Amino acid sequence: DAMVIQNPRYQVTQFGKPVTLSCSQTLNHNVMYWYQQKSSQAPKLLFHYYDKDFNNEADTPDNFQSRRPNTSFCFLDIRSPGLGDAAMYLCATSRTLQGFNEQFFGPGTRLTVL
Amino acid sequence: QQQVKQSPQSLIVQKGGISIINCAYENTAFDYFPWYQQFPGKGPALLIAIRPDVSEKKEGRFTISFNKSAKQFSLHIMDSQPGDSATYFCAATGSNYQLIWGAGTKLIIKP
Repeated sequence: DAMVIQNPRYQVTQFGKPVTLSCSQTLNHNVMYWYQQKSSQAPKLLFHYYDKDFNNEADTPDNFQSRRPNTSFCFLDIRSPGLGDAAMYLCATSRTLQGFNEQFFGPGTRLTVL
Repeated sequence: QQQVKQSPQSLIVQKGGISIINCAYENTAFDYFPWYQQFPGKGPALLIAIRPDVSEKKEGRFTISFNKSAKQFSLHIMDSQPGDSATYFCAATGSNYQLIWGAGTKLIIKP
């Protein structure tokens, strides 16, 4: 029944220690997004994939990378997490890139940086 | 011009009352206005959406009112229930994929 699945739900890492978050989808959607959401704020788009085409938002730090090995899976790599990277990371999908397409969100991974 | 301004930041409503959340935008190129509902520890989920060619859309207890000339839209929750307690985000988008989000409203429905 789950459509957008994120693992793990909670991740603790140490300052500077690389971490990978994963997302999978059963919707067969073309587009996958990664958002960062800090407490009491709106989600902030980091990047998206349309099929294999990667698009980085202009203000996304270089510390954040992404991989999409196939339609169903997408990974968020944080190369050297800082304390400011502690947040909820949300994966979302949509059928196409057109704005009126509903974005389906996963439950998120809460990242803690010690 | 890309901003969507949302108010209030937080709202407390008695059970059975009407909850009203307001949003305003500047960019006239926006043509799709969704509202997302987010419960604690969950991702946002689409609640209801409207296009600017209609002034109102209703789905159950949830209604969007849209005022194109004023560039404002609002969410009304009728007969508010404790289960409606969540954070609500308005958003706007144009021809591309990017959602421009409001800052969010934390709604608490008191039993």
